[in-house]
Amino acid sequence: AQSVTQLGSHVSVSEGALVLLRCNYSSSVPPYLFWYVQYPNQGLQLLLKYTSAATLVKGINGFEAEFKKSETSFHLTKPSAHMSDAAEYFCAVTAPEGDKIIFGKGTRLHILP
Amino acid sequence: ETGVTQSPTHLIKTRGQQVTLRCSSQSGHNTVSWYQQALGQGPQFIFQYYREEENGRGNFPPRFSGLQFPNYSSELNVNALELDDSALYLCASSTRLAAHTDTQYFGPGTRLTVL
Repeated sequence: AQSVTQLGSHVSVSEGALVLLRCNYSSSVPPYLFWYVQYPNQGLQLLLKYTSAATLVKGINGFEAEFKKSETSFHLTKPSAHMSDAAEYFCAVTAPEGDKIIFGKGTRLHILP
Repeated sequence: ETGVTQSPTHLIKTRGQQVTLRCSSQSGHNTVSWYQQALGQGPQFIFQYYREEENGRGNFPPRFSGLQFPNYSSELNVNALELDDSALYLCASSTRLAAHTDTQYFGPGTRLTVL
């Protein structure tokens, strides 16, 4: 069965510091992986997705993620945090049949001034 | 191009009642998926509709049902509401070109509170 695990329900970084949000996946088939962001009282916005092309995926707002098959990881990074990055971030994987997205429990990112 | 819209934004019901949530897909999208997001959790897949037929269902009881209309808008119906049904309900639309790589575009959600 497909699943994702996000390490750390809350992460705090200082403004300007590196952002690293961790995601590990479990999949019986080559996975398709996503990162979504959710701002307070809003729906989900796609940051980036991995679909078996380049292992380093660049997304919106300066975020990127690297697919590492050997580590079954898809960590999200951003070189320099901005106050506007404060939000909840969800890692997700598609099921083999492709009918649904399976989400992790989310990581709330706090940006310290 | 309009995005995914949902109505109402907030709703309060009592146990045992029935509720209908509505979703309008993004222009050009023919697939709608519904998710339930409990407080502090990630969204959980309820079901998906493609060309007006259910096309996949998550681990939700039959009292959760849906419809998709010819214009690809959709409804989520929940009967016999329970307290645990309190959650944010998200609708997502996509084009079913390549299922694994479809990007799902989410609406802002409907916040349902069951008292």
